[in-house]
Amino acid sequence: DQQVKQNSPSLSVQEGRISILNCDYTNSMFDYFLWYKKYPAEGPTFLISISSIKDKNEDGRFTVFLNKSAKHLSLHIVPSQPGDSAVYFCAANGGASGTYKYIFGTGTRLKVLA
Amino acid sequence: NAGVMQNPRHLVRRRGQEARLRCSPMKGHSHVYWYRQLPEEGLKFMVYLQKENIIDESGMPKERFSAEFPKEGPSILRIQQVVRGDSAAYFCASSPAQGRTEGYTFGSGTRLTVV
Repeated sequence: DQQVKQNSPSLSVQEGRISILNCDYTNSMFDYFLWYKKYPAEGPTFLISISSIKDKNEDGRFTVFLNKSAKHLSLHIVPSQPGDSAVYFCAANGGASGTYKYIFGTGTRLKVLA
Repeated sequence: NAGVMQNPRHLVRRRGQEARLRCSPMKGHSHVYWYRQLPEEGLKFMVYLQKENIIDESGMPKERFSAEFPKEGPSILRIQQVVRGDSAAYFCASSPAQGRTEGYTFGSGTRLTVV
């Protein structure tokens, strides 16, 4: 039972344009969401988070939007840079998973073309 | 200011051997989490430990897998009698306290290959 889904395995975007990565979840008890970025042969690195009391959180070029009614979140990167090329995972917790156990999606591989 | 240190980075084991994966958390972090990433999948929670205690091992297979975090030394994830299906990347993360922080800090992982 995949509670967190990233339906696009890959995405290619031109440098300078906007990258939009999507994530859907099924568990309405989730109330905290994160995005991680992962380069090959490295561990995931925390990027940005959002609590369910908000619908938007912004940090520099990165913005996460949360639509609770649709159980959907998205990560916007603007402008995209070649160094943003990586695999992006969304993760969620809350409810039965508690506050320490994160449920991860399968990732979206972003390629930013120079 | 070392981050989460995992070793070895790569580990090759024959079927039936034992694999030992080590994780040293960040300085000041007393909470350790192990996750496994199978090929083409996301990270899946395995176990959460504090010093000398297993808090939640609900994601660990019931057999062959064990974890510890002794008072002194790194956390160890031990897989006995490895099988090909154990081939995966194993990531350790740490945090200073339980509960939500700005995500964990992950190590670079150990890539286990069972031949």
